[in-house]
Amino acid sequence: DAGVIQSPRHEVTEMGQEVTLRCKPISGHNSLFWYRQTMMRGLELLIYFNNNVPIDDSGMPEDRFSAKMPNASFSTLKIQPSEPRDSAVYFCASTKTAMGELFFGEGSRLTVL
Amino acid sequence: GNSVTQMEGPVTLSEEAFLTINCTYTATGYPSLFWYVQYPGEGLQLLLKATKADDKGSNKGFEATYRKETTSFHLEKGSVQVSDSAVYFCEVYQGGSEKLVFGKGTKLTVNP
Repeated sequence: DAGVIQSPRHEVTEMGQEVTLRCKPISGHNSLFWYRQTMMRGLELLIYFNNNVPIDDSGMPEDRFSAKMPNASFSTLKIQPSEPRDSAVYFCASTKTAMGELFFGEGSRLTVL
Repeated sequence: GNSVTQMEGPVTLSEEAFLTINCTYTATGYPSLFWYVQYPGEGLQLLLKATKADDKGSNKGFEATYRKETTSFHLEKGSVQVSDSAVYFCEVYQGGSEKLVFGKGTKLTVNP
């Protein structure tokens, strides 16, 4: 069975550009999480969806960040406009409600110049 | 709310040394507890888990026991290998409220 699929794996862009990160969760999973990982701040939860509905977005840094989940098999995280401090590895993870164990994708490494 | 306190790293050991990475938590009721491992350039992956008090999770020579009385879930391995070099994360999951919290991670480096 395929795991969580993220794209792109690497993105290099210039400050001010729009960035869109994509995630396909594991089929049958109904909870989806977006995390950001940096050396300085570690692993931070950005947003959590359950049954395609955003449940907790308190970790979204600011209005430049937005996330959507139009259906059970796809989610996007968008940064507009991007800034150098957004450089990080962004992970998507999925699970079933009440399971507790998260299944992570391989991450999208973003570099904003 | 729930919280996880994980041993600060980095931890550097020689091959075949004994490893302990401490993890303590605060939560109501009976949460499930997990350890994840993250190898360089990869996402986190489940290493082991325990879902009730006194359960012992084990995998790849690693073990952790769910200690309700001390609210701890310490990760141990009797003899580490160079290939165990990674970052290790402790997670507490509260079913019902769907609260899920990670520790800050502990980087382990094992030298030959």
